[in-house]
Amino acid sequence: ELKVEQNPLFLSMQEGKNYTIYCNYSTTSDRLYWYRQDPGKSLESLFVLLSNGAVKQEGRLMASLDTKARLSTLHITAAVHDLSATYFCAASSLNAGNMLTFGGGTRLMVKP
Amino acid sequence: DAGVTQSPTHLIKTRGQHVTLRCSPISGHKSVSWYQQVLGQGPQFIFQYYEKEERGRGNFPDRFSARQFPNYSSELNVNALLLGDSALYLCASSFVQGALEQYFGPGTRLTVT
Repeated sequence: ELKVEQNPLFLSMQEGKNYTIYCNYSTTSDRLYWYRQDPGKSLESLFVLLSNGAVKQEGRLMASLDTKARLSTLHITAAVHDLSATYFCAASSLNAGNMLTFGGGTRLMVKP
Repeated sequence: DAGVTQSPTHLIKTRGQHVTLRCSPISGHKSVSWYQQVLGQGPQFIFQYYEKEERGRGNFPDRFSARQFPNYSSELNVNALLLGDSALYLCASSFVQGALEQYFGPGTRLTVT
């Protein structure tokens, strides 16, 4: 059974600082997703990572994947208040029809 | 093009009642998945349908059922509601089963009292 764990669960940071969210998954997975969720809203897709060593960047967010370690990271550079949200990673396998298994989420609060 | 739509947006039910939630996928998408997100947790997979057939089921009791219609829209039904069924129910659509991208709808917030 695929399990996904994120840490930290909660992250309070100052604007301008850098930080990393970690996502571990338990079994071989073809795909690793990162989503953002604002309070009371649905999920917004940020990144899809497919292969070992994959790195994707959008603005102040950069995601990477290490399939050997079964680890993905979401790095935040020079955080701004607008990045405050909950971030989820999710893993899936094409063999399992791409049904997503989510981590518990990381609630990010960026303080001015 | 319209995105994934879900109805209703919110609803309040009493324990023991039945509820039906509806989802319309993006035009041309043939696969619909349902997820339950309890407050403070990550979404959990409930069902996946593709071409009107159930293709996957998560670890949920038989009180949960779903179906997909010829126009690829879908319904999620929950019988004998429990307080613990209170959650945000998310529908995701994709072009085919296993497609790389899944697009999530706005969700239905269900409160069971």
